[in-house]
Amino acid sequence: KNEVEQSPQNLTAQEGEFITINCSYSVGISALHWLQQHPGGGIVSLFMLSSGKKKHGRLIATINIQEKHSSLHITASHPRDSAVYICAVRSELGTGNQFYFGTGTSLTVIP
Amino acid sequence: NAGVTQTPKFRILKIGQSMTLQCTQDMNHNYMYWYRQDPGMGLKLIYYSVGAGITDKGEVPNGYNVSRSTTEDFPLRLELAAPSQTSVYFCASSIWKGAYEQYFGPGTRLTVT
Repeated sequence: KNEVEQSPQNLTAQEGEFITINCSYSVGISALHWLQQHPGGGIVSLFMLSSGKKKHGRLIATINIQEKHSSLHITASHPRDSAVYICAVRSELGTGNQFYFGTGTSLTVIP
Repeated sequence: NAGVTQTPKFRILKIGQSMTLQCTQDMNHNYMYWYRQDPGMGLKLIYYSVGAGITDKGEVPNGYNVSRSTTEDFPLRLELAAPSQTSVYFCASSIWKGAYEQYFGPGTRLTVT
């Protein structure tokens, strides 16, 4: 069983649609990260959160610590949002090495 | 800052050959990591380092070695390459910002045939 599960695995949306990607985890965490991997392969950090909600532009990330669940929302989706979105958690145990990664959600936004 | 840089971007190896994947960061981060990413799988930790001179195994260390002689550099050595090591390799570094935020290199796509 993976420590981090994401859904859906694949998602196709029309431009302008509201998108939600879900992440559930099974370990105690000190923080949850949302990452974006572009078709060229580079990975960038979108959000790092340990409680509540964060917003950057059209992206919103929420976390419910009690339910061990996080969601990434994209409002007014655009073709340039097409990428793989990866949920990662850092275990509350350990010294900085215990990151667990989901398998990613592949998003395609059609014009 | 260049951030995290990796070389080479692509490499094809024959079975049994050896090579070193280079990773350098210029952000003075103590923590550095090597991951591999296989199709349909999440990133898996190969080795990590909490500072110069200190390294430790991750989840999938077999067939790899690392060293950390400086804060900036964290090379990954593949000895006796095998087809199972065909993957995309990412180097990352992290710093404490209330939590550990990771910065990733662009990746190295390695094929072993």
